[in-house]
Amino acid sequence: DAKTTQPNSMESNEEEPVHLPCNHSTISGTDYIHWYRQLPSQGPEYVIHGLTSNVNNRMASLAIAEDRKSSTLILHRATLRDAAVYYCILRDTLRETSGSRLTFGEGTQLTVNP
Amino acid sequence: KAGVTQTPRYLIKTRGQQVTLSCSPISGHRSVSWYQQTPGQGLQFLFEYFSETQRNKGNFPGRFSGRQFSNSRSEMNVSTLELGDSALYLCASSLGGTSGANVLTFGAGSRLTVL
Repeated sequence: DAKTTQPNSMESNEEEPVHLPCNHSTISGTDYIHWYRQLPSQGPEYVIHGLTSNVNNRMASLAIAEDRKSSTLILHRATLRDAAVYYCILRDTLRETSGSRLTFGEGTQLTVNP
Repeated sequence: KAGVTQTPRYLIKTRGQQVTLSCSPISGHRSVSWYQQTPGQGLQFLFEYFSETQRNKGNFPGRFSGRQFSNSRSEMNVSTLELGDSALYLCASSLGGTSGANVLTFGAGSRLTVL
């Protein structure tokens, strides 16, 4: 799978927007961009995914650069419960054998200050 | 609907013993994959089962094995435990499509401590 690069840590204040960046300069045309997060003492949790267009769901928004070499996960109003490690992962849609194999990087540790 | 259930949540074993962990996927999900999480190595893929067949395997020694039953429930086994096997073992289920859009749902994990 293509590699992603994320900052090790970020801080935000409660009720403010948070923009979590991810660089994926070697992304292929068939790679989906996925975001998962892991809260303390829990398993990873799916957040959002997209291919080319920006995506919104109840948890977050995903903004994908026009050249697809970077993306940003946007939490519109951070809460204390959003403090977690956020992982940006690429999934190749054409690799039949990839199945449910996710390649996790280090992720970004998000701290939310009250 | 019920999420992914892993049992036991915590267990302590000694070196040389073996351990079996269980995972019940979300109803209707046919794929179960297993991951190991340690502070040093992060989250690493162990293997995936789909329709009772191993579909993908990570880079772990043969001491790590798994199986899937006809009801999609899965077990993983670690034999001859080593201290380095101490980790959080996570199970994830999905519908099983190979599309890049396939989304995984993880359980809370089984915390294994090897003494």
